[in-house]
Amino acid sequence: QKEVEQDPGPLSVPEGAIVSLNCTYSNSAFQYFMWYRQYSRKGPELLMYTYSSGNKEDGRFTAQVDKSSKYISLFIRDSQPSDSATYLCAMTLSGGYQKVTFGTGTKLQVIP
Amino acid sequence: EADIYQTPRYLVIGTGKKITLECSQTMGHDKMYWYQQDPGMELHLIHYSYGVNSTEKGDLSSESTVSRIRTEHFPLTLESARPSHTSQYLCASTTTGRTYEQYFGPGTRLTVT
Repeated sequence: QKEVEQDPGPLSVPEGAIVSLNCTYSNSAFQYFMWYRQYSRKGPELLMYTYSSGNKEDGRFTAQVDKSSKYISLFIRDSQPSDSATYLCAMTLSGGYQKVTFGTGTKLQVIP
Repeated sequence: EADIYQTPRYLVIGTGKKITLECSQTMGHDKMYWYQQDPGMELHLIHYSYGVNSTEKGDLSSESTVSRIRTEHFPLTLESARPSHTSQYLCASTTTGRTYEQYFGPGTRLTVT
């Protein structure tokens, strides 16, 4: 069983829709939860990170972590065609730990 | 945009050839990583480095080797390329204590024929 499970999609939504992307994980020791965005033919870039449980908001993006359920989510409000990309969830034990565990990524397409 | 560079961006090479994938960063980061990414699969860590002259193998068994002679430079070498090495190779860097914030290069798409 993989440590991090993520639905690969693809997910296709109309412009302006609210998008929900999710990951589940099995290692309860994870402390940092990240969302990376990867455009085609580019490397991933950090979108947001959350330490421990709770919500974090940045503009149209909201990250949620529920450690009791081992479940994390990324919500995108008022989705735009420029949001079309692959979104990878990722987790690590601590800021000083050397390794990050990534999900497989969910491919999102926002239709104008 | 992150100051981390990879060359070449695309490489098609025959079986048995020796190749070196270059990665450089200008951010002064002490930690650097090499990942392998295949379609529909998660990023697999193949090598990482804590600093100059410090390298470790990652989770994914790899026939490649790395070196870290300068802080900014972390090349990956395949002594004898095989078709099974066909993949996307991503280089990343970060600073100590901020493993969650990795900066990725654009990647090298390697095809071994």
